[in-house]
Amino acid sequence: DARVTQTPRHKVTEMGQEVTMRCQPILGHNTVFWYRQTMMQGLELLAYFRNRAPLDDSGMPKDRFSAEMPDATLATLKIQPSEPRDSAVYFCASGRSGADTQYFGPGTRLTVL
Amino acid sequence: AQSVTQLDSHVSVSEGTPVLLRCNYSSSYSPSLFWYVQHPNKGLQLLLKYTSAATLVKGINGFEAEFKKSETSFHLTKPSAHMSDAAEYFCVVSVDYQLIWGAGTKLIIKP
Repeated sequence: DARVTQTPRHKVTEMGQEVTMRCQPILGHNTVFWYRQTMMQGLELLAYFRNRAPLDDSGMPKDRFSAEMPDATLATLKIQPSEPRDSAVYFCASGRSGADTQYFGPGTRLTVL
Repeated sequence: AQSVTQLDSHVSVSEGTPVLLRCNYSSSYSPSLFWYVQHPNKGLQLLLKYTSAATLVKGINGFEAEFKKSETSFHLTKPSAHMSDAAEYFCVVSVDYQLIWGAGTKLIIKP
């Protein structure tokens, strides 16, 4: 049963620290999405990759957030420096280009103190 | 512009009774529509997807949804609610690669 995996599942850190979240998309999927979910804003798209290239990161705060795909099996989302307002659940999703279904990972719950 | 409106923020039903979660969409062309479910402190799971092959779509866990173009609706139903159905449900429309999400409906199941 192929699934998107995310690590860590939970992260508590102090303001100013660097946070790195990782995602392994489903094998064979060539699109990857990063979302942030909060009570106030709901689900927000942060970044979108196709074939490892970033196609849209307009939803991401550029000064502190960065997203990369070092290879086809790994996507990373980094926050440096982290702030309390970054506390949220971060979801990764993957899919195939040409098909619009996205499959979600379990999320990383980030708490910045 | 594409948009999705979930008409109820909360729906409460008794176990064993029917479930109806309402969703209206706005799209300038024939859309792909989805329902996702999120159980407490869990990720998002795809329930079902409409892609114009059939207007009545069957999903997992006994849920189904009917696409009604004349009403621009894609309501989610289940004949008999189970306690395990308690979760938040999201209606979603696909625009290019982006998913446009409804605000969500919390389904509460009373014993």
